Amino acid sequence: KAGVTQTPRYLIKTRGQQVTLSCSPISGHRSVSWYQQTPGQGLQFLFEYFSETQRNKGNFPGRFSGRQFSNSRSEMNVSTLELGDSALYLCASSYGGAQETQYFGPGTRLLVL
Amino acid sequence: QKEVEQDPGPLSVPEGAIVSLNCTYSNSAFQYFMWYRQYSRKGPELLMYTYSSGNKEDGRFTAQVDKSSKYISLFIRDSQPSDSATYLCAMRYNNDMRFGAGTRLTVKP
Repeated sequence: KAGVTQTPRYLIKTRGQQVTLSCSPISGHRSVSWYQQTPGQGLQFLFEYFSETQRNKGNFPGRFSGRQFSNSRSEMNVSTLELGDSALYLCASSYGGAQETQYFGPGTRLLVL
Repeated sequence: QKEVEQDPGPLSVPEGAIVSLNCTYSNSAFQYFMWYRQYSRKGPELLMYTYSSGNKEDGRFTAQVDKSSKYISLFIRDSQPSDSATYLCAMRYNNDMRFGAGTRLTVKP
């Protein structure tokens, strides 16, 4: 099976712009979670989508949003970018059950100037 | 206090050494425990997945869970330079995942 794919892999934006990141889960997986990873804060949970519905949400401002399509692909959007949004954004997919583990994509590295 | 505590290191060992990585947690609701390995500029990859207290072995890796002490460990035997990476512990209850900060490990030839 192909793994989790994320596009783009690298992105440079300026403050105030918005950005959309894409994630394609492993075939058959219905759950997609998004994480922000920074050297200071580690891996922080953003949100999870399951069958096109947001099932769980972390403590991030409303500038961070996401959605999931019927084919389980997911997008994450960040509006009004701030310097502190520079990070590695990771998505992870699973079948969606409570006992299921997550498989991560390679991430999108976002730099905000 | 964070829900999951993990010493960030860095940890440096000679090739062939036994490595011990640890995490403690505060929420007794956690049911599933994982270890991920993350190489520089890559996404985390799953190494070990355990459910109950006890040991689970996979090749050179052994995961240990002690739910009564809220403590999990990962042991790496005969460590290799290719094991140099950041190791993240993770745990889950219902649909909530929590990660440790990660321990950076360097294995020197």
